Amino acid sequence: QVQLVESGGGVVQLGRSLRLSCAASGFTFSSYGMHWVRQAPGKGLEWVAVMSNDGNNKFYADSVKGRFTISRDNSKNTLYLQMNSLRAEDTAVYFCAKDALEMSTLFDYWGQGTLVTVSS
Amino acid sequence: SYVLTQPPSVSVAPGKTARITCGGNNIGSKSVHWYQQKPGQAPVLVVYDDSDRPSGIPERFSGSNSGNTATLTISRVEAGDEADYYCQVWESSNGHPNWVFGGGTQLTVL
Repeated sequence: QVQLVESGGGVVQLGRSLRLSCAASGFTFSSYGMHWVRQAPGKGLEWVAVMSNDGNNKFYADSVKGRFTISRDNSKNTLYLQMNSLRAEDTAVYFCAKDALEMSTLFDYWGQGTLVTVSS
Repeated sequence: SYVLTQPPSVSVAPGKTARITCGGNNIGSKSVHWYQQKPGQAPVLVVYDDSDRPSGIPERFSGSNSGNTATLTISRVEAGDEADYYCQVWESSNGHPNWVFGGGTQLTVL
């Protein structure tokens, strides 16, 4: 069965950096696009970034463009999110989510999430 | 960017039918997906492409989409259906794709 396990969250100071990881199993990782979606405490879902299955295409939400970088290592079945210049409004649970195809319109499986808290 | 509007909350008695709406400009021309999220858990896809169900999702969950409103319908509501529900679409502006969520609807089973 599909499993997505995020790690790397924690408390980080304003302006600092953090790297999240998402270990995938139960499917052919290199065949599917992968996303990061976040959820601020008590708020709704916000799409953050996507990378196509082969790594050739990536896109970001305007709120993180220029600060966050998505990457993947298909040999390790792992997705990453490098977060720089963190702001208070980046505080959220970060979910990795599997795309239904190489890059489609929906997310068919989600991880349990990892909490990032940006403090002053 | 594209905006999806959901009611903050919907309440329904057990055994009745719950309808959760998702409003957007000409949303009927887009594919709408619905996710269920229980407290402290990851979202789960319950309806995709307006009205299809992933394997394992009960037939009680159905969807429709026309004009400016998409609707998630849950028939014969059970206590276990109590959760937040989010609609989602994909849009592209100037070649830049964006995956858009509604604000979410909290379903309360009375």
